[in-house]
Order: sequence, then C-alpha cells, then structure tokens
Amino acid sequence: DTAVSQTPKYLVTQMGNDKSIKCEQNLGHDTMYWYKQDSKKFLKIMFSYNNKELIINETVPNRFSPKSPDKAHLNLHINSLELGDSAVYFCASSSSAGTRSEQFFGPGTRLTVL
Amino acid sequence: GESVGLHLPTLSVQEGDNSIINCAYSNSASDYFIWYKQESGKGPQFIIDIRSNMDKRQGQRVTVLLNKTVKHLSLQIAATQPGDSAVYFCAENIGSTGRRALTFGSGTRLQVQP
Repeated sequence: DTAVSQTPKYLVTQMGNDKSIKCEQNLGHDTMYWYKQDSKKFLKIMFSYNNKELIINETVPNRFSPKSPDKAHLNLHINSLELGDSAVYFCASSSSAGTRSEQFFGPGTRLTVL
Repeated sequence: GESVGLHLPTLSVQEGDNSIINCAYSNSASDYFIWYKQESGKGPQFIIDIRSNMDKRQGQRVTVLLNKTVKHLSLQIAATQPGDSAVYFCAENIGSTGRRALTFGSGTRLQVQP
C-alpha cells in the first residue's frame, strides 16, 4: 500500500495554464506539506496544513493555492504557470502527536512548464 | 540567515568501505535532526533521526552523530553497498509540535564504486 501518493507523476504544460496536483496519505497523519525541489535538488517547504488548517505559508506566489478537503488530502493548485515553476513537487505527511516529526514523502510530481 | 548545509556535494566510495556524510547547521534552536535518502526519481526516504538531547544514535548499518558544540551532524554508513548510492539530505526541525517544518540542506551525492 502506498503511504503518500501523488498524481500525476509527470505534468507537462504551457505557460499561463492552470494545473492541479493531488496528494493523499493513508497513514492517519494530521499534518501535510508541500515541498518544491529545484534543479539543484534543493528542497524547500511551501505549505503546511494541520487538521485542514493552514499552518505554514512560506514566501510563495499567490498563484499557488493549497486546498485540504480533509486530513488525508492536500492538493496544490497553480494558476498562470510560469517557466520558473518547473520543478519537482513533493507532498509529505507527519503526525503532530509526540515530539518526533518524521515526515513521509510522496514520489513527487515533475512539473515542466514550456 | 540560518541554514543547514553540507560540506561535500559528492562523495565517492568503494563498495564495502564506510561512508561519512557531514552536515553543518547554524540554528541553535533546532531540536530534531533527520537524515533522508533520495534515490533517482523518488521522494526522500527517512533513514535515521536524532534529538538534540542525544549525541549518537545507531540504526541498521547507519549511525548519526550530533555535535551541538560545533553544530555539526554526520551520517555514517557501514559497509557501503551499491544500493546506498543516492543523494543524502540532512534536515533540521524548527517550530512547535503540529507546526513542524523541515529545513533541508543542499544534499550530498553518494556514489558507490563496485
């Protein structure tokens, strides 16, 4: 069983389009995240949701809008895509219970904007 | 600003040798550190973690050492195998429970020569 899944795995689109990436976790976690990994492999937090509430919103253009319909899902919608949005986007989840915050990552969505 | 960084971008070792991957951090408030392994085309995979009240933690073939005095973290892999070839990230945890976000270092590529 896949713990954290993302769809699609690959996404190729034109500049200016609007696209969404979906994430689901079946671990029973209450916190979910979106990270962006650039071409140099640098991973940076974008958003974090805890119990469907936005907790962390880093300096991300407002073209990016996360949506959490329930604790098991955190989707990422991107409006007016730009060339610089090309990257690999990872969803992750963790449990806020206890003091450890091991995060489990999805397989990633490679977004290519042409 | 405060960040997590790695000393060596690429480490090449012979199969069977021990590997040591280093990481420097500068945020003295960080209380939790994690090592992740990322294979090509996959998401980061948890290897081992350590809390700031510990100096050493061992797992299967891996050991993490934490030196808070010099803000240094290392990952030791014993008897390195070809399957260990990947990019390794250290990450630090900042923030309170339920709002934890990981700050990742820039990664070290481990290449295992047969």
